[in-house]
Amino acid sequence: DTGVSQDPRHKITKRGQNVTFRCDPISEHNRLYWYRQTLGQGPEFLTYFQNEAQLEKSRLLSDRFSAERPKGSFSTLEIQRTEQGDSAMYLCASSLIQGPVSSPLHFGNGTRLTVT
Amino acid sequence: KNQVEQSPQSLIILEGKNCTLQCNYTVSPFSNLRWYKQDTGRGPVSLTIMTFSENTKSNGRYTATLDADTKQSSLHITASQLSDSASYICVVSATGGGNKLTFGTGTQLKVEL
Repeated sequence: DTGVSQDPRHKITKRGQNVTFRCDPISEHNRLYWYRQTLGQGPEFLTYFQNEAQLEKSRLLSDRFSAERPKGSFSTLEIQRTEQGDSAMYLCASSLIQGPVSSPLHFGNGTRLTVT
Repeated sequence: KNQVEQSPQSLIILEGKNCTLQCNYTVSPFSNLRWYKQDTGRGPVSLTIMTFSENTKSNGRYTATLDADTKQSSLHITASQLSDSASYICVVSATGGGNKLTFGTGTQLKVEL
């Protein structure tokens, strides 16, 4: 399977703990996005990378959240001192940008985080 | 503020019937509009993409239309199947590079026997 893969699929953690999610994009894609989605809502943008550079961060991304894409390939999203409000599905997506042309976003199946 | 509104919020239809989902947007400057299908517990999957000059695009039993003047799009599903049960999300992209995507909240479709 050469799609976007995310790990783990599910994570249950206690409030105050740190969690880290991993995303492996489609190998030739240069853009990588993180989104958060709650029940009945569309995905909300968190941040995106062009290769290894983090180009934009949403206001939703508080200082407890950090994302990296150290070699321009896989990415990690860390949440420190988790809160119950962090419970959501965290989606990763990738795309290929070539000049003005962008491929559709290819999404992974997400990591569902439950903070108890 | 860029916004995408979808209607209805949810819809139940019988297998074999047709349905139409609506998307209104206020994204500017407009680049393209995409419809995604999201099965429960899965990530969204792209169904169609339309640019300013395209009025209609089909993907099997899915047909999307775009009226760039009224800033409206619709997704028509023909001869629905149980596997069509999912959330359908309208996503509008603005020009200018970077992350310029605005997501709708989706229409939850349930197809029943």
